[in-house]
Amino acid sequence: DTGVSQDPRHKITKRGQNVTFRCDPISEHNRLYWYRQTLGQGPEFLTYFQNEAQLEKSRLLSDRFSAERPKGSFSTLEIQRTEQGDSAMYLCASSLAAVAKNIQYFGAGTRLSVL
Amino acid sequence: DAKTTQPTSMDCAEGRAANLPCNHSTISGNEYVYWYRQIHSQGPQYIIHGLKNNETNEMASLIITEDRKSSTLILPHATLRDTAVYYCIVRVDASNDYKLSFGAGTTVTVRA
Repeated sequence: DTGVSQDPRHKITKRGQNVTFRCDPISEHNRLYWYRQTLGQGPEFLTYFQNEAQLEKSRLLSDRFSAERPKGSFSTLEIQRTEQGDSAMYLCASSLAAVAKNIQYFGAGTRLSVL
Repeated sequence: DAKTTQPTSMDCAEGRAANLPCNHSTISGNEYVYWYRQIHSQGPQYIIHGLKNNETNEMASLIITEDRKSSTLILPHATLRDTAVYYCIVRVDASNDYKLSFGAGTTVTVRA
């Protein structure tokens, strides 16, 4: 257990529905990252926050995706009007940017299946 | 644009050392070599990182060639729980370097 919690662990939804995932980082970590991983591939960066500010978004993050980190604590990732291509593992990670190592600690992920 | 090249898969025997190679011929002077692994159904786990000197911790050893164009991760006594996908990543070790760029990694299977 790395200390990064993700909920739910699994989500099955029908195409067109909206889904929301939650990530609780390690409490003192000021950076939070979202990645997406499809079968057989390594994780791909989606976006990251430093405290409550969203500082970078990948081109993979279409307009249907939105992420928030209110108060710089937990984060949510929402996907609107889900498509079958959104089926993937969504991983959250956190780190403490104040130290040079900036090692990212990952949660176990949320597996999304869009039917 | 892949910065590292790793074999797709490898097997090793339980109790023996597992040597995982990684090529990073275009590595810059300020880029570190990081290793993560991902056990099935879990998130990636940090293993070790280094710049140019060899590094060792409780999980593994990292050997970096003098020209820094390649490295080897060594699991000294592999166990069945070391079966995982291992990712070699190069990145600047700075607080403003915010993302990890994963490739496909090496699938390591430890056999009894």
